[in-house]
Amino acid sequence: DQQVKQNSPSLSVQEGRISILNCDYTNSMFDYFLWYKKYPAEGPTFLISISSIKDKNEDGRFTVFLNKSAKHLSLHIVPSQPGDSAVYFCAASGWEKAGTALIFGKGTTLSVSS
Amino acid sequence: KAGVTQTPRYLIKTRGQQVTLSCSPISGHRSVSWYQQTPGQGLQFLFEYFSETQRNKGNFPGRFSGRQFSNSRSEMNVSTLELGDSALYLCASSHATGMRTEAFFGQGTRLTVV
Repeated sequence: DQQVKQNSPSLSVQEGRISILNCDYTNSMFDYFLWYKKYPAEGPTFLISISSIKDKNEDGRFTVFLNKSAKHLSLHIVPSQPGDSAVYFCAASGWEKAGTALIFGKGTTLSVSS
Repeated sequence: KAGVTQTPRYLIKTRGQQVTLSCSPISGHRSVSWYQQTPGQGLQFLFEYFSETQRNKGNFPGRFSGRQFSNSRSEMNVSTLELGDSALYLCASSHATGMRTEAFFGQGTRLTVV
């Protein structure tokens, strides 16, 4: 039973365009969401996070949007660059599990072509 | 500031053996959590330690265990190895002192069971 779902296994985007990665969750107790980027044979790298009290958080080219009523979040990368090509994971945690027990989606592979 | 360090990077073990993996968190981080990444299941939470106590546990059999030392370093042990235990094992550390904070990952230990 997947509590965090990334329904698109892959996404291809041209350099300079916007990349939009989506994530859905089912557990209404989740209150903190994170996005990680991962290259092969490396650990995930933290990108950006958002608390459930917000609906948007920006950091440079990365913006995360949270729609609590739809239990949906998205990561926007503008403009996309070839170096952004990686696997992107959405993760969530909730108050019933204090600390950093993160539940991950299965990832979306982003390919940015020049 | 040094990142999360995991040793060893690669390991080959035989079915039935046991293995111990090590993780040194970022200085000042008191929470260490462990994850298993496999192609089929993605990133799955194993357990989290905070101040030498297991604070959260995922849905893994008792063959998977861990501990944390007073300097926050952590070890993970898998006994009676099975072929299905072949995976990338990732350790993450965070402040996790009650507020939601991001977890920072090490590069992982690639375990192959033959």
